[in-house]
Amino acid sequence: EVQLVESGGGLVQPGGSLRLSCAASGFTFSSYAMHWVRQAPGKGLEYVSSISSNGGSPYYASSVKGRFTISRDNSKNTLYLQMGSLRAEDMAVYYCARGFGELNDILDYWGQGTLVTVSS
Amino acid sequence: SYVLTQPPSVSVAPGKTARITCGGNNIGSKNVHWHQQKPGQAPVLVIYYDSDRPSGIPERFSGSNSGNTATLTISGVEAGDEADYYCQVWDSSSDPHWVFGGGTKLTVL
Repeated sequence: EVQLVESGGGLVQPGGSLRLSCAASGFTFSSYAMHWVRQAPGKGLEYVSSISSNGGSPYYASSVKGRFTISRDNSKNTLYLQMGSLRAEDMAVYYCARGFGELNDILDYWGQGTLVTVSS
Repeated sequence: SYVLTQPPSVSVAPGKTARITCGGNNIGSKNVHWHQQKPGQAPVLVIYYDSDRPSGIPERFSGSNSGNTATLTISGVEAGDEADYYCQVWDSSSDPHWVFGGGTKLTVL
């Protein structure tokens, strides 16, 4: 059974940093691209970032580029999102998702999410 | 950037058919995926590549895509289908490339 478990969310002050983790199990982690998607309270889904199966080709939405860094450790089956210079508008539940398909355009499994609160 | 337009809400009586649309410029030329999100839960993929169902998704869920509109159809709607539904495409010229519609709240009357 595919499982994705996020952790690392919490309360952080504006301008602060936080690192999210996503522990994967039930599939060969090193064979799949992975994604981060967020959802602000009461809002829809917003795409954040992706990384290829071997850790190359990181991709960022312009809203987070230069502030967030995606990475992965295939030996630990874990995906990361290092978030910096956090703003109020970054407050959201952050989901990791597995990529599937020729373009890795399908997000076929999602984690339960971890909440990031940005407030002073 | 590519824009996907969904109606904010759709209501349907139990046992009837719900149709949720997703509009986009020439969306028929793109692969459309649909995600279901129940309150307080993570999204779940229910349709990919316009009309394919992942394993475990009931046959009641189907999809189509042509012209400027993609449609998610839920036949014999059940109370447990009440959720937000999001369409999603990949567009190389958009930022970000992975584009979500605004979501549709399906209410089962």
